[in-house]
Amino acid sequence: DVKVTQSSRYLVKRTGEKVFLECVQDMDHENMFWYRQDPGLGLRLIYFSYDVKMKEKGDIPEGYSVSREKKERFSLILESASTNQTSMYLCASSLQGASSPLHFGNGTRLTVT
Amino acid sequence: TQLLEQSPQFLSIQEGENLTVYCNSSSVFSSLQWYRQEPGEGPVLLVTVVTGGEVKKLKRLTFQFGDARKDSSLHITAAQPGDTGLYLCAGDLGYGKLTFGQGTILTVHP
Repeated sequence: DVKVTQSSRYLVKRTGEKVFLECVQDMDHENMFWYRQDPGLGLRLIYFSYDVKMKEKGDIPEGYSVSREKKERFSLILESASTNQTSMYLCASSLQGASSPLHFGNGTRLTVT
Repeated sequence: TQLLEQSPQFLSIQEGENLTVYCNSSSVFSSLQWYRQEPGEGPVLLVTVVTGGEVKKLKRLTFQFGDARKDSSLHITAAQPGDTGLYLCAGDLGYGKLTFGQGTILTVHP
């Protein structure tokens, strides 16, 4: 079974702090994604990556950056956390190819105070 | 503006009832996926539909992809409390990036 591991289940940070969310997958998937999930809005794509050192903006990239130095690891960075970034963050991975299903981690609930 | 409109947002029903969740868009998708998410966990894939008009069954769940590949539905027959969860539809616009609907929170009361 594919395992996608997010390093923290809960995080509480202060406004202005730099925040790192880490994600690791163990099935050699080419694609990795970061989504945020908010009630009534579903999942919204922040950034994704099709290969090492490659990144593409999703639908809501403002205030975020990413890093993919190794194939198995995809990091989401909040350069200066703000209260409107309080949310559930979900990492996912998939194989390349049409209609490949996403395999999600269990999420990191981030609270910015 | 949501590319994929999912309805209803909330469903609260009694065990044994039937229900349908809808996912609609003005865009054509190369495929559409349905996920189910339980509290404290990430979404898990239920099914992928690819061909216009396709119908797939997973025990008491029936998934249909519209002929024009712009809409989809999930029908649950004789719902059980174990079906409780958040159901999400997600459309693939053709380059591997999924766009999600808002989700439907289903509660099935015993």
